[in-house]
Amino acid sequence: AQTVTQSQPEMSVQEAETVTLSCTYDTSESDYYLFWYKQPPSRQMILVIRQEAYKQQNATENRFSVNFQKAAKSFSLKISDSQLGDAAMYFCAYRGPFGNEKLTFGTGTRLTIIP
Amino acid sequence: DSGVTQTPKHLITATGQRVTLRCSPRSGDLSVYWYQQSLDQGLQFLIHYYNGEERAKGNILERFSAQQFPDLHSELNLSSLELGDSALYFCASSVYRERRNTEAFFGQGTRLTVV
Repeated sequence: AQTVTQSQPEMSVQEAETVTLSCTYDTSESDYYLFWYKQPPSRQMILVIRQEAYKQQNATENRFSVNFQKAAKSFSLKISDSQLGDAAMYFCAYRGPFGNEKLTFGTGTRLTIIP
Repeated sequence: DSGVTQTPKHLITATGQRVTLRCSPRSGDLSVYWYQQSLDQGLQFLIHYYNGEERAKGNILERFSAQQFPDLHSELNLSSLELGDSALYFCASSVYRERRNTEAFFGQGTRLTVV
């Protein structure tokens, strides 16, 4: 079974600074997707960024980028120029190939932005 | 707005009762997933439907059942409710392209409180 581990229950960063959230996962599959979801106080689950395992290039979405290390099974999220609106719970998630398409989530990292 | 609609947003009911949660996926999405988010269990996958057929089951209790209708909306039925069933229930739908389901988009969730 796949597992996703987020070892940082809480993180904080000064506004406008950069922060990195860590995630590791375990799988025996070669074809999979990885995601970061954001859950603000409204409780909505918002997709931040996705990475296909077969792509070597790290995904980037505006201020959000990932460092995908397939051999190490590591998938960290970097948030640049942190903004107050970035304050939320961040969940790392794994999705397997066809036939195993459920999302397996980590326990989350609560990110606080310090003004 | 993710395009996934869940109703109701909030539900308060007594132990032993039965409730139905409803989900309308994004236009064109054939896959619907149900997840439960509770304080002690985190985000857990319950069940996946694809175009009306059950595709995968997770840790879904026998007291819970789901179905996806021809118009692709889905319902999650929870019966003989217990206090421990209090949680946030999410529905998600995903795009199917290139012969695979891709990223999942989440509804706003239904907060169920069992008293």
